Amino acid sequence: DAGVTQSPTHLIKTRGQHVTLRCSPISGHKSVSWYQQVLGQGPQFIFQYYEKEERGRGNFPDRFSARQFPNYSSELNVNALLLGDSALYLCASSLSRAIIDTQYFGPGTRLTVL
Amino acid sequence: GQQLNQSPQSMFIQEGEDVSMNCTSSSIFNTWLWYKQDPGEGPVLLIALYKAGELTSNGRLTAQFGITRKDSFLNISASIPSDVGIYFCAGNQAGTALIFGKGTTLSVSS
Repeated sequence: DAGVTQSPTHLIKTRGQHVTLRCSPISGHKSVSWYQQVLGQGPQFIFQYYEKEERGRGNFPDRFSARQFPNYSSELNVNALLLGDSALYLCASSLSRAIIDTQYFGPGTRLTVL
Repeated sequence: GQQLNQSPQSMFIQEGEDVSMNCTSSSIFNTWLWYKQDPGEGPVLLIALYKAGELTSNGRLTAQFGITRKDSFLNISASIPSDVGIYFCAGNQAGTALIFGKGTTLSVSS
């Protein structure tokens, strides 16, 4: 079975632009979470979506938004990009919305903001 | 954002040596998890701990949930070259999202 897939793999944007990152969860998984991982740091929680509804949100500005589609895939949108948004964006899927449910991570999208 | 205190930051060891790393928090956690991340990959779950005092093994890896619920450690016995990578601890409090440590980078020389 395919694991969590993310696209694109790499992305280069300039300040002020917006970006859309995509994630497809493992088949049968209904929960998708997004994390930002800055170089040299651990992943930081951005959003969790379960059954197409936002179930949790980390300490990120409103420039960050996300949604989940009926097939449980998800998009992360970031508007008005800043240099500090440069990071690896990770998507993780799990069967349920429970925080303790095992989360399977995708390979991430490397975003560079110039 | 809040992060756990993970140490050491990096380790350089010889193949065959044992490794120990730990993670501490100022707050009580309900769950402790240990992940490994290889270059260009997402983190992979190694061990999950759900009860204070719990000791769990996964092959050569052993992890424990501290009695105070504010710490956890991970041991790797008889290290091999493929153990190279970044190890992250993660935990959560009741009803909150996972919080990750900054990682321990492990280098193994043969």
